[in-house]
Amino acid sequence: GENVEQHPSTLSVQEGDSAVIKCTYSDSASNYFPWYKQELGKRPQLIIDIRSNVGEKKDQRIAVTLNKTAKHFSLHITETQPEDSAVYFCAASIRAAGNKLTFGGGTRVLVKP
Amino acid sequence: NAGVTQTPKFQVLKTGQSMTLQCAQDMNHEYMSWYRQDPGMGLRLIHYSVGAGITDQGEVPNGYNVSRSTTEDFPLRLLSAAPSQTSVYFCASSSYPPGQRSGNTIYFGEGSWLTVV
Repeated sequence: GENVEQHPSTLSVQEGDSAVIKCTYSDSASNYFPWYKQELGKRPQLIIDIRSNVGEKKDQRIAVTLNKTAKHFSLHITETQPEDSAVYFCAASIRAAGNKLTFGGGTRVLVKP
Repeated sequence: NAGVTQTPKFQVLKTGQSMTLQCAQDMNHEYMSWYRQDPGMGLRLIHYSVGAGITDQGEVPNGYNVSRSTTEDFPLRLLSAAPSQTSVYFCASSSYPPGQRSGNTIYFGEGSWLTVV
């Protein structure tokens, strides 16, 4: 089955700096790649997603890039703010395999004021 | 519009006991799923359903049963609880399976914290 690895596991950045989280996936048939933000004790919330027919997608300070050849995708957060502190999860799914989501292990991001 | 409602929020079970985690959604979503999240880890799919009367296994189905008799409800049953099932359980729903349509948002419940002693 699909395997998704996420790095780094923890990331500390200064407020205003950029944060980058990278995920690699194993199955080249994966076609959907969402990113979730989870605050402590809360439910995951979708922040951005990308499909395999798109190389990059932006939404204000957040962007996701996809490299299908290398089988990796990355989350970029610019001008980080203290409220960006949370755990971020990437995931991947394969349409031909029932669209089941496989999650990465998560990245704990701490934005220092 | 309550979204996805999970009950109970917290539960302590003894090894060998059985229980049911309830999940209900009021958005008329066809796709529902259950995930578990162990400390410091990502979510893992337990079971999912693409509509009433249809269920299928996810990544970690052993020790769990589900049923989907109505569109609204998708209960998760622990047959004989084990300490390894100590986790946070999230129910989720969406109109379509993940990634099948643009703009298809997955709504998660608030989670159920389960401890098996």
